Amino acid sequence: DAGITQSPRYKITETGRQVTLMCHQTWSHSYMFWYRQDLGHGLRLIYYSAAADITDKGEVPDGYVVSRSKTENFPLTLESATRSQTSVYFCASTGQLRQPQHFGDGTRLSIL
Amino acid sequence: SQQGEEDPQALSIQEGENATMNCSYKTSINNLQWYRQNSGRGLVHLILIRSNEREKHSGRLRVTLDTSKKSSSLLITASRAADTASYFCATDLNAGGTSYGKLTFGQGTILTVHP
Repeated sequence: DAGITQSPRYKITETGRQVTLMCHQTWSHSYMFWYRQDLGHGLRLIYYSAAADITDKGEVPDGYVVSRSKTENFPLTLESATRSQTSVYFCASTGQLRQPQHFGDGTRLSIL
Repeated sequence: SQQGEEDPQALSIQEGENATMNCSYKTSINNLQWYRQNSGRGLVHLILIRSNEREKHSGRLRVTLDTSKKSSSLLITASRAADTASYFCATDLNAGGTSYGKLTFGQGTILTVHP
């Protein structure tokens, strides 16, 4: 089915570990986004991508790395996880900027 | 700082009543969007209103935009228990450069509709 899927849905890891969150969309949307959602902060943009091999920082990029070798995939990597990165992470996509974004169901990440 | 701020933070009503949520923002926008989030799920787009529009309707939803006051409201009429969710406004700034086309979300309003 067409859509945007995130995996895993839940992840528990330890500080200092590397963890990668996956995002896959089937619409061939050019633009993809990673957000984190925390109580008291709403959704904050971590990174975004305008096309394959084009990525840029958002509001809170520190500690995160992204790549986009294929249009449909946009993985987010925490290189050395910290407790402050415990959050719910959402991936989104859109075919055009200034149009609605389509969201995945999120990954709930806990860092112990 | 948050571009969009929703008010109230939480709203509890009975089925059949209307629910109004407000969003204020700080800088000039290209458009403002409203999203809904059910518990444990991703955000779902509801309505997009452009800066040159004052009101839009979609089914039981009515959105208004007052650019002079930098505010928007979302009205859900004849609410149902299934409308229980968090509602977020998101602003798309009227800016170029690195801000172009990116959304800034408010903290949301939690709506509870009692059967």
